[in-house]
Amino acid sequence: KAGVTQTPRYLIKTRGQQVTLSCSPISGHRSVSWYQQTPGQGLQFLFEYFSETQRNKGNFPGRFSGRQFSNSRSEMNVSTLELGDSALYLCASSLAGQGSEQYFGPGTRLTVT
Amino acid sequence: QKEVEQNSGPLSVPEGAIASLNCTYSDRGSQSFFWYRQYSGKSPELIMFIYSNGDKEDGRFTAQLNKASQYVSLLIRDSQPSDSATYLCAVNILGNEKLTFGTGTRLTIIP
Repeated sequence: KAGVTQTPRYLIKTRGQQVTLSCSPISGHRSVSWYQQTPGQGLQFLFEYFSETQRNKGNFPGRFSGRQFSNSRSEMNVSTLELGDSALYLCASSLAGQGSEQYFGPGTRLTVT
Repeated sequence: QKEVEQNSGPLSVPEGAIASLNCTYSDRGSQSFFWYRQYSGKSPELIMFIYSNGDKEDGRFTAQLNKASQYVSLLIRDSQPSDSATYLCAVNILGNEKLTFGTGTRLTIIP
């Protein structure tokens, strides 16, 4: 069974631009969660989608948004990029949500200059 | 108090010895507990999960959960250099669809 895939793997953007990241979960998994990982803050929860509905959201500004499609693929968008948005963005999929086992994709490394 | 706490390390263990990693959590409603291994520059990899009090063994790994004392630990037997990584503890509270991660413990296995 194929694992979680994320595209693109690396991205360089300029302050003020916006970016869209994509995540395809493991086949059959309906929950997709997004995390931001930085050396200083560790793994921070962004949001979780289940069957196209956002079920939970972390403490991030409204510039961070996401959506999930009927095939469970998910995208997250960051608008008006700031230097502090430079991070590894990880998505994780699971069968039932955050209470069950989550499997991470390889991540997208975003650098904002 | 942080929701999930881990000693950041680094923890150095000789090859072949037992590595013991600990994690404490603050919410008594916590129900699901996970251990992830993350190599430098890679994404976290799920290695163990435990839902009930007691021990759960999988190969060289044993997860131990004590809900009364609010801690979960991971033991790695016969440690190998390939076990050198950062180990993340994650906790989920029943009814709260959010997984909270500790900051991780960096483990180094010394040949």
